[in-house]
Amino acid sequence: EVQLVESGGGLVQPGGSLRLSCAASGFTFSSYWMSWVRQAPGKGLEWVANIKEDGSKSYYVDSVKGRFAISRDNAKNSLYLQMNSLRAEDTAVYYCARGIIVVSYSGFAFDIWGQGTTVTVSS
Amino acid sequence: EVVLTQSPDFQSVTPKEKVTITCRASQSIGSSLHWYQQKPDQSPKLLIKYASQSFSGVPSRFSGSGSGTDFTLTIKSLEAEDAATYYCHQSTSLPYTFGQGTKLEIK
Repeated sequence: EVQLVESGGGLVQPGGSLRLSCAASGFTFSSYWMSWVRQAPGKGLEWVANIKEDGSKSYYVDSVKGRFAISRDNAKNSLYLQMNSLRAEDTAVYYCARGIIVVSYSGFAFDIWGQGTTVTVSS
Repeated sequence: EVVLTQSPDFQSVTPKEKVTITCRASQSIGSSLHWYQQKPDQSPKLLIKYASQSFSGVPSRFSGSGSGTDFTLTIKSLEAEDAATYYCHQSTSLPYTFGQGTKLEIK
């Protein structure tokens, strides 16, 4: 079964750090772009970051640039999000998602999503 | 940044009714527009990719159309299980962006 399972969420004080993990199974992890998408309480979806299949390229939404770092370990079938200098506005459910690409189109859709892990930034 | 605007924000519909949700982009995005369904306390699920390509396992009552700046998600004959919030998403340019969501309530 194709599956993504996030972990590492929790309560953290403003300015603190947290590292999220996403364990992939049931597919060839190293063949896919991967992403983090978040959802603040009662709000819509917000794309956070993408990372290329081999980890050589990554992209971020402006609001997290310089504070968050996406990475992956293809040997461990795992995706990570290192979050530093956390702010109250980073409070959200964080989903990892797999990118599905169709040749001749731009970018990718998210075809597999994890169940999410909750990050709460509060003093 | 490409801004996606969905309409309506909320719709109350009866079973078997035909439902149309629109997504308008602030600039042309070709066909790189995708649709998701999210039920309460669940992760989003992909319904349609690249404007009109049905995703595997999605019921045939869901279809998508459009290109450029105007896109539509159609539910041919609504079922009670379709109560959810629906989001569009563009992947033409970074940052990837989502519409604000359309909540469907079943009467």
